[in-house]
Amino acid sequence: GAVVSQHPSWVICKSGTSVKIECRSLDFQATTMFWYRQFPKQSLMLMATSNEGSKATYEQGVEKDKFLINHASLTLSTLTVTSAHPEDSSFYICSARVLPRGLIGDSPLHFGNGTRLTVT
Amino acid sequence: AQTVTQSQPEMSVQEAETVTLSCTYDTSENNYYLFWYKQPPSRQMILVIRQEAYKQQNATENRFSVNFQKAAKSFSLKISDSQLGDTAMYFCAFRERRSQGNLIFGKGTKLSVKP
Repeated sequence: GAVVSQHPSWVICKSGTSVKIECRSLDFQATTMFWYRQFPKQSLMLMATSNEGSKATYEQGVEKDKFLINHASLTLSTLTVTSAHPEDSSFYICSARVLPRGLIGDSPLHFGNGTRLTVT
Repeated sequence: AQTVTQSQPEMSVQEAETVTLSCTYDTSENNYYLFWYKQPPSRQMILVIRQEAYKQQNATENRFSVNFQKAAKSFSLKISDSQLGDTAMYFCAFRERRSQGNLIFGKGTKLSVKP
């Protein structure tokens, strides 16, 4: 089955530094990837939608200059948390859809294992 | 805007018993998908079951089944013969059929299966 690999699984960084999280589709091409954030005991909130070769679409309230998303290839999307602050501490999950862009369909969404970010 | 509501923050059930998790949603769309995801302590999101809105027949996957009431915008999950491994957070999710695929999640229900 389709596998989404997310790395690192956890990271601790100091306030003010930047952290990069990678999301890879291992055995399929993912033209669209999604980045979610999950605070403790809360639901997943969509941060942005990433399409290969184009700029990401951010949800309202998500700072695009703080959460940089790059989707340079069909198998890799990265989320960089710039100048991280303690309030950015959260669980970040990526997901990818197995469907060529432009087709309307019913392909499933596959999730990575998530990255726990702790900013001290 | 679409919303998904799970009114039960926590539930518990005895092993081998049956439990039903509630979910309601709000949308003006006619074509959409509904999902139940399981998130165990490992935090991995696992698809449990899915339902296409245009299908009247309720989806079933082994011990998991749904009661889909489109007019009432209700999508409950029934877990039969509960097992200890079913202990997890359960999220109800919605997706417009015409969307790129992003899911809108409810706040989740924490299910504990007790021996």
